[in-house]
Formats: sequence, structure tokens, C-alpha cells
Amino acid sequence: EAEVAQSPRYKITEKSQAVAFWCDPISGHATLYWYRQILGQGPELLVQFQDESVVDDSQLPKDRFSAERLKGVDSTLKIQPAELGDSAMYLCASSLASWVRGRPRNTGELFFGEGSRLTVL
Amino acid sequence: QQQVKQSPQSLIVQKGGISIINCAYENTAFDYFPWYQQFPGKGPALLIAIRPDVSEKKEGRFTISFNKSAKQFSLHIMDSQPGDSATYFCAAMGGRFRGSYIPTFGRGTSLIVHP
Repeated sequence: EAEVAQSPRYKITEKSQAVAFWCDPISGHATLYWYRQILGQGPELLVQFQDESVVDDSQLPKDRFSAERLKGVDSTLKIQPAELGDSAMYLCASSLASWVRGRPRNTGELFFGEGSRLTVL
Repeated sequence: QQQVKQSPQSLIVQKGGISIINCAYENTAFDYFPWYQQFPGKGPALLIAIRPDVSEKKEGRFTISFNKSAKQFSLHIMDSQPGDSATYFCAAMGGRFRGSYIPTFGRGTSLIVHP
């Protein structure tokens, strides 16, 4: 069964260091999401890509966070410098965009990876 | 701004009982309402979903009830089992930006089913 791959699973870093997370979506999924999930809360969208283009990054703290999906396949989320409040689970998800009357339409189902748990000391 | 409000935050039921989780939304542009189930250390996985053209959808022991006028929807788990113990998230999707949905999640409900 196809899965969304994420790495690393766990990352411990010190404040002010740089950290990067990688995501490989399910093959053929055009839409890719990065979510942040703080313990005990629901996932919060950081950035959404459609192919290699950013669809929504309004909640991404752009002074320290960056995300890219250069070839429209795998994606990297970077934090520099990391802060204590960044400790969370970073989830990647992908979905299959279907086409209706010549326009892309998301089917709605998101497939999540197992996440990357970040601890900032 | 929390666009999807979920309650209760935690829920404890006995094996065989009914678990009910409620969600309310504000944005009338939402037109797809999925529920996700998350076990510790895992990413969320789609459990069941509904579109607003129907008032109820049932899959096995899981049922979504949808009230469009009240902008509310709920998940019912019949004959709850210890294996159902997990965190459940409701979500809402809708709004078109270059053809893609922007999903919004509730805060989650931690369900514990006692044997």
C-alpha cells in the first residue's frame, strides 16, 4: 500500500539551530500539505502545494520557516532558527487532485505520513 | 479564528456503548466534512466523510449525522470497542483556490473505551 514517507521521525535540536524535514508524497498526488500539530491539539496548516506551486502559506511564519517542492514531487520544510515554541509534530499529507471540466479538483481525502516529532531544547 | 469547533475534548465510554463527538463550523463555503482517526505516534487516517447533500452516512459502526442549517455535524460510534480508543478529528474543506481545498481541523477528541 502506498504511503507518505517522512523523515526524520524524531529530531531533537537546540534553540537557534536549523532543522529540516523531508516528505515524499504518494506517487501521483499533486497536492501536498505541511501541518503542525501541537500535543493535544488538531493539525494546523502551514503550507499547501499544488504541484510545485504554493497554494496557501498564509499561516507559515516566514521569518523562520520555509518550504519548497521544487520538482512537484517531494518537499522540504525548514526552520531556521528553531525556537522553543516550535516543538511539535510536523505532519505531511498528500491528496490526489482530480480533474472536472478541465479544472483541478481535490478529492478531499488526505493521506498523512507518520510525522516528524521536533523537540527544541 | 477557529473555523471548526469540536467537543468534547475527551470522552470515556464503556465497551459496547455509543460514542458521540460533535463539530460545528462557520464557513458556509465548506462542502466536504471528513473525520480522521489518530493513534498515538501515527498520522491521522481518514475514517469517514460526508458531503452536505446528505444528512447521514453510515459505514459499519461509524455514522456521520449532518445538519446543514445548524452548520453542525457529529460522529457516532456504535458498539464502541477498546480498539476504537484514539483521538478523533473532524475537519471541513471547501473554498476554491486554483482548484484545491483548504482543509481545517477541529482540536480533536480523545476517546477512551474501557473494556
